[in-house]
Amino acid sequence: GQQLNQSPQSMFIQEGEDVSMNCTSSSIFNTWLWYKQEPGEGPVLLIALYKAGELTSNGRLTAQFGITRKDSFLNISASIPSDVGIYFCAGGPPQGGSEKLVFGKGTKLTVNP
Amino acid sequence: GAGVSQTPSNKVTEKGKYVELRCDPISGHTALYWYRQSLGQGPEFLIYFQGTGAADDSGLPNDRFFAVRPEGSVSTLKIQRTERGDSAVYLCASSSQRGQNTGELFFGEGSRLTVL
Repeated sequence: GQQLNQSPQSMFIQEGEDVSMNCTSSSIFNTWLWYKQEPGEGPVLLIALYKAGELTSNGRLTAQFGITRKDSFLNISASIPSDVGIYFCAGGPPQGGSEKLVFGKGTKLTVNP
Repeated sequence: GAGVSQTPSNKVTEKGKYVELRCDPISGHTALYWYRQSLGQGPEFLIYFQGTGAADDSGLPNDRFFAVRPEGSVSTLKIQRTERGDSAVYLCASSSQRGQNTGELFFGEGSRLTVL
């Protein structure tokens, strides 16, 4: 089946630093989404991308939908302690729409104050 | 509350037992989804409901797993003859009509199932 390769697996950064993580696939996707999950909680949507090449920002977060439709990146600027969590990319496959999202394995972010 | 509600939050059972997990979606959301999240992994699609019917159950791992949504709101995921490999967090999500096409899902906190 379709798989998403997400990297890095984990990151340890100092407060104030910028963060970049990405997601790649051998298959194309029609939508790319980035979710954040904190311990004991369900994932929460951060950013959604719908067109190849699209660049979207949400506060300190910026994400791009790769032009080949096979990759996406998420940047977080000026990190703060509450950015701690696991960040998942998710892709909506071309067949059947976005009801069956495929998730990456996540990037675990630790921010040291 | 206004979010997706899942019960129980934790369930410990013995191998071979039957388990039911309940999900109460956001009021007015027509679509409901079940995902399974194993330790260190991302969520994995199980089944999706549009209204009362299962629109896509291709993610259910085998016939021990079954889900219903009889009135188009609350859903129950049922697991028969549980196995140790079923241990995971079972996440429920719901979405509006628009969210079905955009992947904008609202997840509950999950039900953590442990099979001993």
